Amino acid sequence: GNSVTQMEGPVTLSEEAFLTINCTYTATGYPSLFWYVQYPGEGLQLLLKATKADDKGSNKGFEATYRKETTSFHLEKGSVQVSDSAVYFCARLTGSSNTGKLIFGQGTTLQVKP
Amino acid sequence: DTGVSQNPRHKITKRGQNVTFRCDPISEHNRLYWYRQTLGQGPEFLTYFQNEAQLEKSRLLSDRFSAERPKGSFSTLEIQRTEQGDSAMYLCASSSSGGLYEQYFGPGTRLTVT
Repeated sequence: GNSVTQMEGPVTLSEEAFLTINCTYTATGYPSLFWYVQYPGEGLQLLLKATKADDKGSNKGFEATYRKETTSFHLEKGSVQVSDSAVYFCARLTGSSNTGKLIFGQGTTLQVKP
Repeated sequence: DTGVSQNPRHKITKRGQNVTFRCDPISEHNRLYWYRQTLGQGPEFLTYFQNEAQLEKSRLLSDRFSAERPKGSFSTLEIQRTEQGDSAMYLCASSSSGGLYEQYFGPGTRLTVT
């Protein structure tokens, strides 16, 4: 089927720690992949994206690499800050020619402590 | 570019009442999407429009739900005879039909059915 699976949260880290949030997907073909972030009380914001295998999306110190061999798109950041505390959603496009809807994972809450 | 806007931000209604939400997309975007997000879950696709045409509806969208985009600009989502299970955050997103189809989200309308 078509699904996106994220690691369960909450993930609690100290400031400046290394972050990994795992995301795997199932799909036929190679859909575009996204990470969205939802800060407390705000809407979803696009964080980064990748359109094809081995692409690396990056933004605000976050990175994710499209791995077709493992059907994964794990989110990483080398040094987290308190301001990174939010809910992170992995998503893939579905529909023919990537013209369709987004399928989201369940979200992973990140809490960064000073 | 003022982003995607949604009104109202919050709506409390009694079971059995009808409610209508509005979404104003980014002005140059011709695709518009509605999603529903319940607590602790990722958004789930409801429906989308390209210009004024409604191209896809989810099975989640029961007969009590109807969406319109009459002039290909703003969209409305109406829920008739609301039920407590309709309580959720209703999200609107828009994208252009060229390029990566990146979807940009509004702040959402939180519906509470009492």
